Amino acid sequence: GQQLNQSPQSMFIQEGEDVSMNCTSSSIFNTWLWYKQDPGEGPVLLIALYKAGELTSNGRLTAQFGITRKDSFLNISASIPSDVGIYFCAGQGGAQKLVFGQGTRLTINP
Amino acid sequence: SQTIHQWPATLVQPVGSPLSLECTVEGTSNPNLYWYRQAAGRGLQLLFYSVGIGQISSEVPQNLSASRPQDRQFILSSKKLLLSDSGFYLCAWNQGAGGYTFGSGTRLTVV
Repeated sequence: GQQLNQSPQSMFIQEGEDVSMNCTSSSIFNTWLWYKQDPGEGPVLLIALYKAGELTSNGRLTAQFGITRKDSFLNISASIPSDVGIYFCAGQGGAQKLVFGQGTRLTINP
Repeated sequence: SQTIHQWPATLVQPVGSPLSLECTVEGTSNPNLYWYRQAAGRGLQLLFYSVGIGQISSEVPQNLSASRPQDRQFILSSKKLLLSDSGFYLCAWNQGAGGYTFGSGTRLTVV
């Protein structure tokens, strides 16, 4: 079945640093999405990308849909304590189902 | 606006007891509905999805079942819980492209 490889699995950074994470797939997706999950909560959609090459920002977050449609990255600039959590990439193909990456756990030292 | 409700938030059940988790969606019609399970600190595993009333697709063989008795209601059940059923259960819905909206989850501990 389809799988997404998300890296890194975890990150430990200082407050104020920039963050970068990415996902790659052996399959082509029509949509790439990035979610954030706070402890004990459901994932919340951060950014949705619908077109190959698309670069989209949401505040300090920037994500890109790779040209090959097999990868995507998420950048967070000037990290703050509330950025702590688990970030998931997800790809959506022809069917409605999403395929999720394994997540990147972000820890920020103040 | 659309909202998704999931309950209970936490549940502690003994091994061998039955399970029923409920999820309802408001503000939309004919949504696609999903049940996911998340082990501690791990990724999301799709358990079941439904594209309509009475239509259930199972992704992995397991001790659980799902039902959709109404358009906006999705139920996750088990007749006899196992220790390995412990985890964080998430309900989600979507319509078309644009990703899922997740509920707030149920933390199930089987003891």
